[in-house]
Amino acid sequence: GAVVSQHPSWVICKSGTSVKIECRSLDFQATTMFWYRQFPKQSLMLMATSNEGSKATYEQGVEKDKFLINHASLTLSTLTVTSAHPEDSSFYICSAWRQGAISAYEQYFGPGTRLTVT
Amino acid sequence: RKEVEQDPGPFNVPEGATVAFNCTYSNSASQSFFWYRQDCRKEPKLLMSVYSSGNEDGRFTAQLNRASQYISLLIRDSKLSDSATYLCVVNGWNNAGNMLTFGGGTRLMVKP
Repeated sequence: GAVVSQHPSWVICKSGTSVKIECRSLDFQATTMFWYRQFPKQSLMLMATSNEGSKATYEQGVEKDKFLINHASLTLSTLTVTSAHPEDSSFYICSAWRQGAISAYEQYFGPGTRLTVT
Repeated sequence: RKEVEQDPGPFNVPEGATVAFNCTYSNSASQSFFWYRQDCRKEPKLLMSVYSSGNEDGRFTAQLNRASQYISLLIRDSKLSDSATYLCVVNGWNNAGNMLTFGGGTRLMVKP
């Protein structure tokens, strides 16, 4: 089946520093990847859509200068949280589109990155 | 009104029970529907797509009612391992194109 990896799986950083999270599709090419954030006991909220070779599209309320997204290849998208603050502490999950068996696009999720900002 | 609404639960059921989850969505133009399963502190995993004719996968049955904009998931003969949060997911559109909208999830706890 489709496999998406994320790195790192867990990171602690100090307030004011930047953190880069990588998302890779391991056995398929993904022209579109998505970045979500999930706070405790809440559902996934889409942050941005990442398209290979073009600028990411951010959802309303998500600061594009704070959450930098780069989708430089068909198998890699990165999310950089710049000048992180404690309120950025969350579970960040990426996903990639893959065409399903019955012509329905299905998303496959990475294992997530748990970010704690102290 | 939320785009995708689910009863958060938790649903506490004994092993072997049958349990049903419901979900309503607001965008009548949506075409793709899914149930995902999420374990604590893990990523969501696709459980099954939901098709207009309804579909079954082992102990799991999904139904779609487009007229009522309603999706259901039925789990028969519950196992302890079914304990998780079940996410109703519907496709939508934003400036970037196609996207998925997640419901808040329904938590299931299966007890011995």
